[in-house]
Amino acid sequence: GENVEQHPSTLSVQEGDSAVIKCTYSDSASNYFPWYKQELGKRPQLIIDIRSNVGEKKDQRIAVTLNKTAKHFSLHITETQPEDSAVYFCAAIVQGGKLIFGQGTELSVKP
Amino acid sequence: DADVTQTPRNRITKTGKRIMLECSQTKGHDRMYWYRQDPGLGLRLIYYSFDVKDINKGEISDGYSVSRQAQAKFSLSLESAIPNQTALYFCATAQGETQYFGPGTRLLVL
Repeated sequence: GENVEQHPSTLSVQEGDSAVIKCTYSDSASNYFPWYKQELGKRPQLIIDIRSNVGEKKDQRIAVTLNKTAKHFSLHITETQPEDSAVYFCAAIVQGGKLIFGQGTELSVKP
Repeated sequence: DADVTQTPRNRITKTGKRIMLECSQTKGHDRMYWYRQDPGLGLRLIYYSFDVKDINKGEISDGYSVSRQAQAKFSLSLESAIPNQTALYFCATAQGETQYFGPGTRLLVL
């Protein structure tokens, strides 16, 4: 069935280091891949997305890469800051216009 | 994002009770969704609706029902609540593919 796997489930980095979160998806027809950030006690908020017609997209310290052949995509955060600490979710759109979410990665940035 | 609101924000209920969670939006979006969030399981889709006459089951619809009363309102009901429905529930809206989430309802079923 439709599935999105996300790794790692937890990630701890030192402030200033980079963080990478990886996701794989099963539906080869998926063409839209958003990333959400959820701070403690808050709602998920979209931070970046990518469509299947591009391989990489950047927004300041955040970048997302997509490999359609391998069916995986990744979130890269550079120069991490304590305010980057949150749970991050990847997702892929599947047939019917539904989003299937990964299980989440809890990122901790230590000062 | 005050454009998507959920009521109540917190609810404690007992096993067997019927409860309704409500979602309203002022974004003018056609698409609305209900998810539940459990630790380690991410966000799982319960039901979704692409317009007032359209209702679709998601991954985990058993034990839930929904009503799309208007473009701006989408309600989730638990007909007979059970403890394993204790979770954080999110409503979301979308016009295209990008979804915008409400603040969530924390539900505890005793």
